[in-house]
Amino acid sequence: GENVEQHPSTLSVQEGDSAVIKCTYSDSASNYFPWYKQELGKGPQLIIDIRSNVGEKKDQRIAVTLNKTAKHFSLHITETQPEDSAVYFCAASINTDKLIFGTGTRLQVFP
Amino acid sequence: ETGVTQSPTHLIKTRGQQVTLRCSSQSGHNTVSWYQQALGQGPQFIFQYYREEENGRGNFPPRFSGLQFPNYSSELNVNALELDDSALYLCASSLSAGGSDTQYFGPGTRLTVL
Repeated sequence: GENVEQHPSTLSVQEGDSAVIKCTYSDSASNYFPWYKQELGKGPQLIIDIRSNVGEKKDQRIAVTLNKTAKHFSLHITETQPEDSAVYFCAASINTDKLIFGTGTRLQVFP
Repeated sequence: ETGVTQSPTHLIKTRGQQVTLRCSSQSGHNTVSWYQQALGQGPQFIFQYYREEENGRGNFPPRFSGLQFPNYSSELNVNALELDDSALYLCASSLSAGGSDTQYFGPGTRLTVL
């Protein structure tokens, strides 16, 4: 079955710097790759997603890139702000059904 | 906020007991998926319900069961609770199954088994 690895497990950046989180997946049939942000005591919130027919997608300060050949995808956050501090999860699935999540990255943005 | 609601917020049970968790999907969504999130881990897929039928199941034993009602709300039932069942239980709703529709998560129910 699908397996998703996520790195790093923790990431500390200065406010205004960029943050990059990387994930790899194992099942070449996976075609949907969402990223979720989870704050303490809350459920995961979708921040951006990408499908396999697209190589890159951007939404303001957030961008995701997908390399299907290498089976990896990355989240890029530019101009980080303290409110970006949270745990970020990548996931992979076939047709958005059963999401397989990575182990999470705890991002801390210091003022 | 996603419009997905879950109840109760917190629950404490003892080993061997049974528990029922509830989820109301976002308006217009006919698909509900349930996930278990252990502390410090990513969510793990339990099962999905589409139009009142189970539509896929993860690697969880049969004592985890579910229901979906005609209004598309859903229940997760866990029998014979074990200490390892302590986790955050999340439900997610989507417009439809097997397509290209995003899953939106509720706030979760924190279950503690003593």
